[in-house]
Parts: sequence; C-alpha cells; structure tokens
Amino acid sequence: AQSVAQPEDQVNVAEGNPLTVKCTYSVSGNPYLFWYVQYPNRGLQFLLKYITGDNLVKGSYGFEAEFNKSQTSFHLKKPSALVSDSALYFCAVRDYSGTYKYIFGTGTRLKVLA
Amino acid sequence: DAGVIQSPRHEVTEMGQEVTLRCKLISGHNSLFWYRQTMMRGLELLIYFNNNVPIDDSGMPEDRFSAKMPNASFSTLKIQPSEPRDSAVYFCASSTDSSNEKLFFGSGTQLSVL
Repeated sequence: AQSVAQPEDQVNVAEGNPLTVKCTYSVSGNPYLFWYVQYPNRGLQFLLKYITGDNLVKGSYGFEAEFNKSQTSFHLKKPSALVSDSALYFCAVRDYSGTYKYIFGTGTRLKVLA
Repeated sequence: DAGVIQSPRHEVTEMGQEVTLRCKLISGHNSLFWYRQTMMRGLELLIYFNNNVPIDDSGMPEDRFSAKMPNASFSTLKIQPSEPRDSAVYFCASSTDSSNEKLFFGSGTQLSVL
C-alpha cells in the first residue's frame, strides 16, 4: 500500500534562513509526488509536483523540492524563508499503477520567525 | 471559474441528526475526492470518484457515511446519524482525469456535532 511520511510535526526557522520540510514515500511503482500548502481556514493549495525528469522541481512562491529515488524522499526546500511562508505543508503521493488514490502525509507546520 | 465550491462553510448539529455536505466541481474536472481533516488523524481520504463512479471508498469510516455524484459536477457526502466524533473539517477536491494532475480544493465545511 502506498504511504507518505512527514517525520516533523513542526519546523521553526528564522526569516532569511533556508528551510527544509521532509517527506518520504512508499509506493509499489513509480510515484507522482506533490507538495501542497494550507493557510488557516483555507483549503490546500498546490505548490509543485514531480512526475519524471529532473530531480529538482521548482514551484510556486520560490519553493523547490528534490526527488531522491534511492532514499524515497521528496523534501521541500526554500533558500530564504519569509514570515508569510508560515503555514501547514502537506506532501502527497499518487500511485498511477493502481487505483490512482491521492494520499497525503500528516502535515508539517512551518513557523518562520521574524 | 469559481473553483471548487463547498457548502455550507460551517455546520453545527446535534448528535443523531442527518448532515449533508455539498460540493460543486470545477467545470471539466471528472475526478472527485472527499477528505476529512482532524488534528488527531490529519487529512484522511474518505472516497474517490472518477467519471461519477466511486473507485475507492475504503476510507469511509462506517455505514453512517455515504457519498454520491448525481451528476458530473456535483457531489454530496451524507452522515446519518451524526456523532460527536464526526466533528472535523471536510474537504472536497477535484481534478482532471490525468493521474499526474494536481487537486483543486474547496474551502471546506467545518462540522461540529454536539
């Protein structure tokens, strides 16, 4: 069965510092991987996705993510954090070889401190 | 396009009452997902439709929960009878049929069962 793990409930980072939010996955075939962000009282919004090709994927708001097949990871990164990046971040995987279920991790709360 | 539209935004009801949550998909989308979000369990996939057909309902917690797509643009999630442990935020999300596509989320329905 496919699954996604986000090992950190919360990540704190100072404004201007680089940030990393971790995600590992487990699927039976090749994964489609996604990152979403949720602001208070809102639905999730798409940030970026990895389907195939270059392992470094760039997305919205200056975020990027690196796909690492050997480590089954898809960590979200940003070179310089902003206070406005503070939100709840979700990693998701879709297994295209099966039922196409869209499974989300438990979420990581990012706090960027001024 | 107005995006995925969910109603109501907030629902407060008493235990034992029937609750119906509604979702209007984005025009042209034919995949529909219902999720439930709680602090304890994160974002749980309840059921997934493709072209109005339920593909996977393994996440539906009990027979008290049912979901329908009476047409290609509309879905309902019904809880009958409701219980306090059903209190959560319920999201619907839609996408096109392609498995590498992102999800578009509604703003959610905050359900409180007293």
